[in-house]
Amino acid sequence: DAMVIQNPRYQVTQFGKPVTLSCSQTLNHNVMYWYQQKSSQAPKLLFHYYDKDFNNEADTPDNFQSRRPNTSFCFLDIRSPGLGDAAMYLCATSSLAGETQYFGPGTRLLVL
Amino acid sequence: SQQGEEDPQALSIQEGENATMNCSYKTSINNLQWYRQNSGRGLVHLILIRSNEREKHSGRLRVTLDTSKKSSSLLITASRAADTASYFCATERNFGNEKLTFGTGTRLTIIP
Repeated sequence: DAMVIQNPRYQVTQFGKPVTLSCSQTLNHNVMYWYQQKSSQAPKLLFHYYDKDFNNEADTPDNFQSRRPNTSFCFLDIRSPGLGDAAMYLCATSSLAGETQYFGPGTRLLVL
Repeated sequence: SQQGEEDPQALSIQEGENATMNCSYKTSINNLQWYRQNSGRGLVHLILIRSNEREKHSGRLRVTLDTSKKSSSLLITASRAADTASYFCATERNFGNEKLTFGTGTRLTIIP
């Protein structure tokens, strides 16, 4: 089945130690999104790609970076995780911008 | 600022009853979408309604949209224990630059 896959599902890192989360999709969608979701809150968009065009949200900290080497894969790099970065990170895809988004299961990040 | 506000924040009903959740937003939109999120998982798309539509149905789901009041409602009929989840509305604004903005969510609990 076509799907959005996130690895790992759970990630534990140390304060200040770089971490990379990955997302892959078999839907061949043009648009890929990264969201941060903290407990009992709405998903917050960090950035998205329309094909290779990168779009950063104005309030996304510089500590967060992203790469999309090809259509299928997208990575979220957190250069120096702080305790406040502990959250669920959700990847989503869409064939058309602004239309239905298909989410992966998320990666829960714990920062010690 | 948050585009969508949902109400109520939490709702508990008996299995078999109907559940209604409301979403209000602030700016003109192209479409409004509803998503479900089970605890600790990714979001699942339920239904999309466009700005020129007033009502849509999908199985036990009924969504209405009132653009004059900038509001939408999601009705789940004949609720089941498996409907226990958080429900989010998300809007694509006019000139929204490919993004969805999520509301604050309603936590629905179905009591068996």
